[in-house]
Amino acid sequence: QLVLTQSPSASASLGASVKLTCTLSSGHSSYAIAWHQQQPEKGPRYLMKLNSDGSHTKGDGIPDRFSGSSSGAERYLTISSLQSEDEADYYCQTWGTGIRVFGGGTKLTVL
Amino acid sequence: EVQLVESGGGLVHPGGSLRLSCAASGFTLSSYEMNWVRQAPGKGLEWVSYISSSGSLYYADSVKGRFTISRDNARNSLYLQMNSLRAEDTAVYHCARIYCSGGSCYGAFVIWGQGTMVTVSS
Repeated sequence: QLVLTQSPSASASLGASVKLTCTLSSGHSSYAIAWHQQQPEKGPRYLMKLNSDGSHTKGDGIPDRFSGSSSGAERYLTISSLQSEDEADYYCQTWGTGIRVFGGGTKLTVL
Repeated sequence: EVQLVESGGGLVHPGGSLRLSCAASGFTLSSYEMNWVRQAPGKGLEWVSYISSSGSLYYADSVKGRFTISRDNARNSLYLQMNSLRAEDTAVYHCARIYCSGGSCYGAFVIWGQGTMVTVSS
């Protein structure tokens, strides 16, 4: 069964960096994912598509502060030089034939 | 500008029906896989359904047999017919388009609408 697991919450200080993790279920470690950001009271926004080899394709206008990487079944989103507007929910998402799956989301607090 | 705009949400009694619409602009909707995604109040994102560019239909188990996805190519619009609605269907419903590049498409949701709220309550 295709499942994505995320930690419910994370926090980091203004100007610091944070690395969020999304873990693919057993047997699915080769899958690509997408990262999405949802700021409070807004719709989701596509950040990037992240492949198993760590290569990624960012959406239009996504700052260089956002980057992705991969290791085995883990997919990471790193945000550097944290700003107040980065405080948001972050969702990973993947896909298979006939199914689309979201992780439970990570709520990022910028201290 | 590439854009998706949902409409049709509202308050409906349990067991009732509602039809959501998603108007696309800036691209030809029928050339892409299109999805519906929902978010219950205070909860995470949940995939609901998709229609492939070839017209194949897929549904989450939670809505199978009750919801129907469709599109109107002439209107460049996507629809979600929701029947036998339950309290647990209460959510903001978003439509979303997948990412395509260089002749290949991937199930990553690259374009999102702002959503329309559906409330199922007596």
